[in-house]
Amino acid sequence: NAGVTQTPKFQVLKTGQSMTLQCAQDMNHEYMSWYRQDPGMGLRLIHYSVGAGITDQGEVPNGYNVSRSTTEDFPLRLLSAAPSQTSVYFCASRPTGEGQPQHFGDGTRLSIL
Amino acid sequence: RKEVEQDPGPFNVPEGATVAFNCTYSNSASQSFFWYRQDCRKEPKLLMSVYSSGNEDGRFTAQLNRASQYISLLIRDSKLSDSATYLCVVKRITGGGNKLTFGTGTQLKVEL
Repeated sequence: NAGVTQTPKFQVLKTGQSMTLQCAQDMNHEYMSWYRQDPGMGLRLIHYSVGAGITDQGEVPNGYNVSRSTTEDFPLRLLSAAPSQTSVYFCASRPTGEGQPQHFGDGTRLSIL
Repeated sequence: RKEVEQDPGPFNVPEGATVAFNCTYSNSASQSFFWYRQDCRKEPKLLMSVYSSGNEDGRFTAQLNRASQYISLLIRDSKLSDSATYLCVVKRITGGGNKLTFGTGTQLKVEL
């Protein structure tokens, strides 16, 4: 069981470039989300999805797009990378229902020059 | 005031010591509580959920105090391998669905 798989693990971009961070889960979880983790800030929610075809904004959505065409995949797109988006990005999934914990991917370390 | 607050530490303790972390939350509507462990440059992993009556898993004990709005994590007989950052996570229901809020974490260093 692979769990939550994120690719790439590392990426360096130039300001203004676009890219997609991939996230896939094989646990048939309805709920998927993207977080960024910055020093002293804790994990902050970027976007989330409660099921295929449904997405919504989290705490810090600006500069990012998501889509959820299948239950398994939840890609995160940076439209025009900015240095402020340098961060570690985590994708997570969980089943619906009360008290269900998140399962995280390994993370993507993204640097914007 | 942050919705979830933790002492960032680091807590430096000798091997075998007992150490406790607290985490306070500001929203009384919070419903579910968790402790996650995050190793350096790794993803957060669930350590344990926190139940109203308190719960124990081996050397780890979690407690919830709703009246004072805090949760705690007690680690007994600390091991070197317990060195990590411990994240407090609080979940509540909002108009937009469930909202998870993560604390910034408490760093633990267990030393020989």
